[in-house]
This record gives sequence, C-alpha cells and structure tokens, in this order.
Amino acid sequence: GDSVTQMEGPVTLSEEAFLTINCTYTATGYPSLFWYVQYPGEGLQLLLKATKADDKGSNKGFEATYRKETTSFHLEKGSVQVSDSAVYFCALTSGSRLTFGEGTQLTVNP
Amino acid sequence: NAGVTQTPKFQVLKTGQSMTLQCAQDMNHEYMSWYRQDPGMGLRLIHYSVGAGITDQGEVPNGYNVSRSTTEDFPLRLLSAAPSQTSVYFCASSYSETGGNSPLHFGNGTRLTVT
Repeated sequence: GDSVTQMEGPVTLSEEAFLTINCTYTATGYPSLFWYVQYPGEGLQLLLKATKADDKGSNKGFEATYRKETTSFHLEKGSVQVSDSAVYFCALTSGSRLTFGEGTQLTVNP
Repeated sequence: NAGVTQTPKFQVLKTGQSMTLQCAQDMNHEYMSWYRQDPGMGLRLIHYSVGAGITDQGEVPNGYNVSRSTTEDFPLRLLSAAPSQTSVYFCASSYSETGGNSPLHFGNGTRLTVT
C-alpha cells in the first residue's frame, strides 16, 4: 500500500537558519503530494502541494519539488522564523485517500 | 466563516462508556472524514464519506461507527470506549474526493482520554 516516510524529529533551529525536512514515499500510480502544517492546538492546514513530477509547490517561503526519480518531496525554507514552529506532515493522495507521514516537530528559537 | 467545527474539544470517558464526537462543516463539501492522531504514527483514517448517505471504512475503523444523514454533519460514535481509543480526533472535509485539486480542511480536534 501507499506510505510516506518523514525524517525523524524533533528538529530545533535558530531563527534565520536553513530548514530541510525530508520526505520519501511509496505509491502505485501517480500520486499528488502535499505538506500540511499543524500549529499548537489547531488542526492541520495545507501548506503546499504538487500534482505531477517536477512540479514545485511553494507558500510562505516554503518550497518542495516533486521528484519522481527519487520518490521524494523534501520541504525547504531558506530562513525560518519563530512563528514557523509547528508540526509538519508530508502526505500523498492516490484516489480518495490521503496517507500521512508521522509528522516532524519543528522548534525555532530566537 | 466557521469552516469545520468539532465538539467537544476535550472529553474523558471510562472504559465501556459510549459517546459521539460531532463534526459540522458549512462549506457544502461532499467529502468528509475522521482521523485519529497518535504520537509517532501520524494521522490514520478511521471512516470517510463521499456524500450524504454514503460512508466507508478507512485504515482503522474498528470500534467506531459513522453516519452521514446530511451534507453538513458527520458524527463519529464510540459504542464502548477502550483505553486504546485515547487519542486526538480530527474531522476533515473537502469539496470532492481527496485529490490534487481538493485539499482537506481540518477542524481543531477533540482530545479524548479513556480511563
């Protein structure tokens, strides 16, 4: 079945540091790929998405590129802020189901 | 603009008790779903619905029932709570079956503890 694997957390960075959260997937067919973010005490929100190979999703300074050859969708941001502290989930959809990774806790210190 | 509303926010149950987690959305979304979130396991799909009168099982349906009598509401029922059901539950909806152009909108969750 479909699966998503994220880098183990938690991740702690200083403000303005570069962020990478790794995500790899296993899926049949051609899934769409997503990053969702969960701020403390809230539900998940869509951060960005990519629907086909080589697409780059971007939002709020975050980027991720759909790499079919490496089955990856790594999340990057050039300069993180304290307000980026949250849990980040990589996910894929193939058909009607969304499959999530286990989530990566990010803490950004001032 | 309420979006997806879940009630209650917190609940403590004793083993064997029953309860219903409520979920309502005001976006006229056809697709609704329930997930549970557990540490180190991400979100797992419990049940979902692609429209009023239609429900189906997800990855972890045992111990849970759902119904979809209206487009707006999708309650989740625990008939006999067990400690293994201690979790945070999220309801989510989208315009159509989840795909590249129909992202999920999540409620703020219900934290359930079963003692």
